[in-house]
Amino acid sequence: NAGVTQTPKFRVLKTGQSMTLLCAQDMNHEYMYWYRQDPGMGLRLIHYSVGEGTTAKGEVPDGYNVSRLKKQNFLLGLESAAPSQTSVYFCASTPGGDRGYEQYFGPGTRLTVT
Amino acid sequence: RKEVEQDPGPFNVPEGATVAFNCTYSNSASQSFFWYRQDCRKEPKLLMSVYSSGNEDGRFTAQLNRASQYISLLIRDSKLSDSATYLCVVNTYNFNKFYFGSGTKLNVKP
Repeated sequence: NAGVTQTPKFRVLKTGQSMTLLCAQDMNHEYMYWYRQDPGMGLRLIHYSVGEGTTAKGEVPDGYNVSRLKKQNFLLGLESAAPSQTSVYFCASTPGGDRGYEQYFGPGTRLTVT
Repeated sequence: RKEVEQDPGPFNVPEGATVAFNCTYSNSASQSFFWYRQDCRKEPKLLMSVYSSGNEDGRFTAQLNRASQYISLLIRDSKLSDSATYLCVVNTYNFNKFYFGSGTKLNVKP
């Protein structure tokens, strides 16, 4: 199993550009999450999904959109990038139910917006 | 007020020392508690879950105090390889959301 993978690993955007980050998991997990991590701030939840076709807002959703058309994929979109969105983005998945609630993280995407 | 608060450290300790971290959470309805470890520029990985009765995994012991709303992590006989940032994580409501502390940095020195 590859676990949780994220694409791309690094990206530099100019202000106003758009992009999509892809998260994929091959563990048949129900729950998926997108976080951002900034120095001194810990991980903050952007959006999450409790199953295929469902999404919900987290703590810091503004400026981001998500989609979960397939159970194994969770996409994070930046419509018009801003320098404040410079961060490290982590995707995570959780099996849920009887399989437990441990979060499995992808390796992260380092995004710089200039 | 933050959902989860931790002392950022760093804690600088010699090899073989015992070190303890605390973490407080604000929501009394919180249901699940975890400690994650994060190495520099890497993703977080589960260190251990924290159960109401307390639990131990080798050199690591986790405790939960619901009355005072804090959890703790004790590391005995510290190794150089324990150097990392330790994240306290709390899950509330219906398991949909996890709240992370900002992490406590541990440096174990020879």
